[in-house]
Amino acid sequence: DIQMTQSPSSLSASIGDRVAIACRASQTIGNSLNWYQQKPGKAPKLLIYGASKLQSGVPSRFSGGGSGTDFTLSISSLEPEDFATYYCQQSYNFPLTFGGGTKVEIK
Amino acid sequence: EVQVVESGGRLVQPGGSLRLSCATSGLTVSTNHMSWVRQVPGKGLEWVSLIYSGGATSQADYVKGRFTISRHTSNNTVDLQMHSLRPEDTAVYYCAAVAAAAGVRFIFDPWGPGTLVTVSS
Repeated sequence: DIQMTQSPSSLSASIGDRVAIACRASQTIGNSLNWYQQKPGKAPKLLIYGASKLQSGVPSRFSGGGSGTDFTLSISSLEPEDFATYYCQQSYNFPLTFGGGTKVEIK
Repeated sequence: EVQVVESGGRLVQPGGSLRLSCATSGLTVSTNHMSWVRQVPGKGLEWVSLIYSGGATSQADYVKGRFTISRHTSNNTVDLQMHSLRPEDTAVYYCAAVAAAAGVRFIFDPWGPGTLVTVSS
């Protein structure tokens, strides 16, 4: 199975800060990496697919990068609605696996 | 607009069975892959099972032999039949449409609001 490791597991940031979340795969997955945002009590929402493609309707302050085993989700300037938990997911092969999540909290 | 909504979650005793259902609109289950993902309260996301548009299925090892995913083209729904339930199966179960784009497969979008399954005596 491909293990997905996210770091950090949590971070505190202020409105307007730039943040970056890392996701590492235990083996190469090309660009088969997707990012989701989840708010408390809600379902996850797709943000980025194919490592760097912004899902329709997602603000441009979100961006993704990387390939192979190392990936990054960046938020250029945090807005109040961005405080949530973020998950990466590999769609390279089965079983499909997720990272453990990164909780972004208000400082 | 594509929407999915789960139903069927409830309290069930260990060893019991339960059937979850996923109602869809804006898509056709005979031409869309569909999947179930679960989340233990307070924990991360865990893929459970997937049904391809052609009807073939794939599931996580920890549910093989216990859970079965199926679809009903007549009413555009996807089910998850669960047997031999264990306390560790307690989770919110999400149904998700599975998309492909930019050469990437198995993108979960959109997700339903989830249904809670509690396995306890």
